[in-house]
Amino acid sequence: AQSVSQHNHHVILSEAASLELGCNYSYGGTVNLFWYVQYPGQHLQLLLKYFSGDPLVKGIKGFEAEFIKSKFSFNLRKPSVQWSDTAEYFCAVNLNSNSGYALNFGKGTSLLVTP
Amino acid sequence: DAMVIQNPRYQVTQFGKPVTLSCSQTLNHNVMYWYQQKSSQAPKLLFHYYDKDFNNEADTPDNFQSRRPNTSFCFLDIRSPGLGDAAMYLCATSRSRVHEQYFGPGTRLTVT
Repeated sequence: AQSVSQHNHHVILSEAASLELGCNYSYGGTVNLFWYVQYPGQHLQLLLKYFSGDPLVKGIKGFEAEFIKSKFSFNLRKPSVQWSDTAEYFCAVNLNSNSGYALNFGKGTSLLVTP
Repeated sequence: DAMVIQNPRYQVTQFGKPVTLSCSQTLNHNVMYWYQQKSSQAPKLLFHYYDKDFNNEADTPDNFQSRRPNTSFCFLDIRSPGLGDAAMYLCATSRSRVHEQYFGPGTRLTVT
């Protein structure tokens, strides 16, 4: 069955620490990959996406993610987190085909950045 | 500036009393989705419309229905809400099925 796994459910970091959130998927075909962020009390927002091309993608607010096809991974990174990065982060995957419309989400990672 | 609008933001209904949640979009996107998100869980797709074509997820209960009268609006009808249907309901839109989705702020449904 197709699935998306986020390995860290709760992460606590101090400001200026580096962040890496893991995401792995189990799909057999060509995929589109996304990271969404949900700040407290706000709606889900797209952080970055990968469809094709350069496997290192840059998103908003200094975030980036690297697609490693051989590892079925799409890990999210930020070199130096800020208190305002406290949020829930969701990795999501869908198949790059007309039948692959379902956007499958991972269970999310709750990030708390302390001053 | 709001692109995906959901009303109301908070809805309280009684057990078994039908309720309708609404979603509108200003993006002119072809696809509109409804998700259910329970506390500390990932959003779960209930169904989506590609234009007027309705696509139901296999495990979406019959209790949940949807209508899309035009491109801009989509409704979620819960015919007989149970306590287990209390959740955040998210509407999203996308240009096509493979493109990124834009989410509304959600409607938090409480069932008493």
